[in-house]
Amino acid sequence: RKEVEQDPGPFNVPEGATVAFNCTYSNSASQSFFWYRQDCRKEPKLLMSVYSSGNEDGRFTAQLNRASQYISLLIRDSKLSDSATYLCVVNQNAGNNRKLIWGLGTSLAVNP
Amino acid sequence: DVKVTQSSRYLVKRTGEKVFLECVQDMDHENMFWYRQDPGLGLRLIYFSYDVKMKEKGDIPEGYSVSREKKERFSLILESASTNQTSMYLCASSFSFRQGARYTGELFFGEGSRLTVL
Repeated sequence: RKEVEQDPGPFNVPEGATVAFNCTYSNSASQSFFWYRQDCRKEPKLLMSVYSSGNEDGRFTAQLNRASQYISLLIRDSKLSDSATYLCVVNQNAGNNRKLIWGLGTSLAVNP
Repeated sequence: DVKVTQSSRYLVKRTGEKVFLECVQDMDHENMFWYRQDPGLGLRLIYFSYDVKMKEKGDIPEGYSVSREKKERFSLILESASTNQTSMYLCASSFSFRQGARYTGELFFGEGSRLTVL
């Protein structure tokens, strides 16, 4: 089993749709969690950190379920500009970023 | 704005050549990273540095070495390039836990260096 698993997609959705991605992780001792966004042929950029209580940033909501060992990302009212690959990242070490485990990403295409 | 600058966006080298990839960050980050990204394999850590002259092997260090002589600069060296090192190389930096409240866990990436080894 991979340490971090994501559905690769692609998810094809119309503008305005709500779409959700899940990411599962295998190490129950994982400390912190992130969603990064990577546009085609660009570098990854942090979208949001994921907190235990769940957190929201505009149209984006991230949730963590430690018992089931998954994190999720919900995008409401999808925009064309949301088309990208979304990378789930799990930090297994609270002390530094040495043990970051990257998922392979979920591809999202938002269509007009 | 944090800026991580990689010296070359595109390189084409021949098998056996020595290759230098340079990375500079301007945000006083203690941590610096070199990753490679390949389709179907995702981001894989090559080397990590948490301070000047300090380095740790990542998951795939074979065939690579690194140098960190100054805090802001982290270099990746391919001593003798091989075709299986054709890849996108991404440098990143971050605050470390030791840097206190500035630590958020966020990595800042350069734009990447696409290396082709013929």
